[in-house]
Amino acid sequence: EAGVTQFPSHSVIEKGQTVTLRCDPISGHDNLYWYRRVMGKEIKFLLHFVKESKQDESGMPNNRFLAERTGGTYSTLKVQPAELEDSGVYFCASTTLDGDPKEQYFGPGTRLTVT
Amino acid sequence: AQKITQTQPGMFVQEKEAVTLDCTYDTSDPSYGLFWYKQPSSGEMIFLIYQGSYDQQNATEGRYSLNFQKARKSANLVISASQLGDSAMYFCAMREGGYTGFQKLVFGTGTRLLVSP
Repeated sequence: EAGVTQFPSHSVIEKGQTVTLRCDPISGHDNLYWYRRVMGKEIKFLLHFVKESKQDESGMPNNRFLAERTGGTYSTLKVQPAELEDSGVYFCASTTLDGDPKEQYFGPGTRLTVT
Repeated sequence: AQKITQTQPGMFVQEKEAVTLDCTYDTSDPSYGLFWYKQPSSGEMIFLIYQGSYDQQNATEGRYSLNFQKARKSANLVISASQLGDSAMYFCAMREGGYTGFQKLVFGTGTRLLVSP
């Protein structure tokens, strides 16, 4: 069974440009989460989808960030326009709705560098 | 507000020795879960071990054990018989509240472990 996948693995963009990150959760996982780790700091929750609905987007830093999960499958996280402080590693994770609480599967992350 | 504190930015251990990575947490919710993840240089987050707040015994998974001291709000990770492949970042995380299928996690800043031959 394929794990959580993320694309791209690394993105380097200039300040002011737009970047779209993609996450493909494990098939059948209705819960999808986005997290971000800024260099040297803790990993922070960004938002949570249940299927295509946003359940909690309390961690989204500002309105330059837009997350979507059309059809309840893969999700995208768009940053527009990107700022220097957006640099970091963006992780996606997925779980089933009622699975084992230990089972939160993380993707490998997308390293975003804004120059 | 829930918070995870990892006070050791870096730790060194020799191969085959045991090492303890510290984690303290703060929550007002009586029901919560504690996790440890390993992040090797390749970047993926690997689940290591989980402890529920109502679990009576300390969790163990192979060479990993969690020293859960509820009164002190600590959840230290013990790695026995360290191996070179254990060199990585280690994150402690907490889920607040009983498990309802929602796993919003709060993470610490991590500890970088280096295992030397």
